[in-house]
Parts: sequence; C-alpha cells; structure tokens
Amino acid sequence: AQSVSQHNHHVILSEAASLELGCNYSYGGTVNLFWYVQYPGQHLQLLLKYFSGDPLVKGIKGFEAEFIKSKFSFNLRKPSVQWSDTAEYFCAVNVVRGSTLGRLYFGRGTQLTVWP
Amino acid sequence: DTGVSQNPRHKITKRGQNVTFRCDPISEHNRLYWYRQTLGQGPEFLTYFQNEAQLEKSRLLSDRFSAERPKGSFSTLEIQRTEQGDSAMYLCASSSLTGEGNQPQHFGDGTRLSIL
Repeated sequence: AQSVSQHNHHVILSEAASLELGCNYSYGGTVNLFWYVQYPGQHLQLLLKYFSGDPLVKGIKGFEAEFIKSKFSFNLRKPSVQWSDTAEYFCAVNVVRGSTLGRLYFGRGTQLTVWP
Repeated sequence: DTGVSQNPRHKITKRGQNVTFRCDPISEHNRLYWYRQTLGQGPEFLTYFQNEAQLEKSRLLSDRFSAERPKGSFSTLEIQRTEQGDSAMYLCASSSLTGEGNQPQHFGDGTRLSIL
C-alpha cells in the first residue's frame, strides 16, 4: 500500500544536539513534499516544502530537508536544536499527477523533546 | 493574520447524535480540505473542494458524513448518527491553486469531537 513512513516516533535530545528525522514515501511519479510542525496547543504549521529544483530545501527556524529521489526520502535536519523546537513533526506528500491531486498523505508524526 | 478558522473548538455529544462543524478558510484560497486525526496518528484525508465543487472523497468518508461548501467560501462537515469511532480531531485546511500548481495547505486549530 502507498504510505508515508516516519521511522522515529519519539526523539529526545539535549539542546545543541543535531537532529535528523527520517521520512520515506512509497508513491511513484512526481510528488511535492512537506514537513509540518505542531507546537503544543497550536495548529499544524508549514516548516518547509519541496516542489522542484534544488533537492536541499531550507525552511524556517534553521531547519532543512533533502529530497533523495532514488531513496524516496525527504529527511529533516537541524544542526543544533533548541528547547523551543519541542513539538511534533509530520512529513507529508502530495502526488502531483493522477486522481488524487489535492490530498496530502501524512506520516504518523515524530514527537521531538528537547531538554534544556 | 486571518488564518483558517474552525468552530467549535470542542464538541462533546452522545452516541447517535448529529454534529456539524464549520470551517472558514483563508479568504483568497479556492481549495478547502477536511482531515481527521486520531491520537498517535497523522492527519488522514477525508475530502476536498475546489471552490464549491467537491472533487474527491476518501473511503473514510462513510455515508454518515457529508461535507458542503455552498458558495465556495466556508464549509461544513456533518456527521450523522455519531459512533464511538468518530471521536477524533477534525482538521480543516485551505490552499490556493495558482499557475504554479497547488500551493501548501494552511491548517486550522481543529475541532475535537468526543463521543460519550
């Protein structure tokens, strides 16, 4: 079945540690890729997106993600996390062609806890 | 910043009752989406509209669920004869479809439904 996989369900880091959250998807064809973040008590917010072009995309708050087409992956990275990065992170995929043009397919999310 | 607005924020009802949720998208957005999110999972697509036309419905959207967007602005999601399994967070999102394609979706705070 087609899916979006986030390998880490809960990640715990100390401040200043480096972060990498994995995301793999199984949809063929052209895709748009997103990372959303949900801070405690807030709505989902767009962190960064990939539509085309440079596979290394930079988002807000120092986050970046790399699209590796051959690996169907879109991993999220940050060199040095802060306590304020504590949140849940969701990877999402939009299939550009076909009958499901509008929907986003989400992974189950990764809860990131950063200790000060 | 007038983001996506959802009402009510919380709804508690008895099993078998009907409930209706409202979503007001960002004003210039022509696409509106409904998702459902349960604990520990990412959002799951339910349906979406382009202007007033409902273009896609998920298999998750049983015949007890109906969504409308009568004038291409706000949308309502109604659940008839609610069941325990309907307890979830119902998310609304909106986006614009431009010449560059489908732009990122912006999410509301959601309506949390609890079935007693």
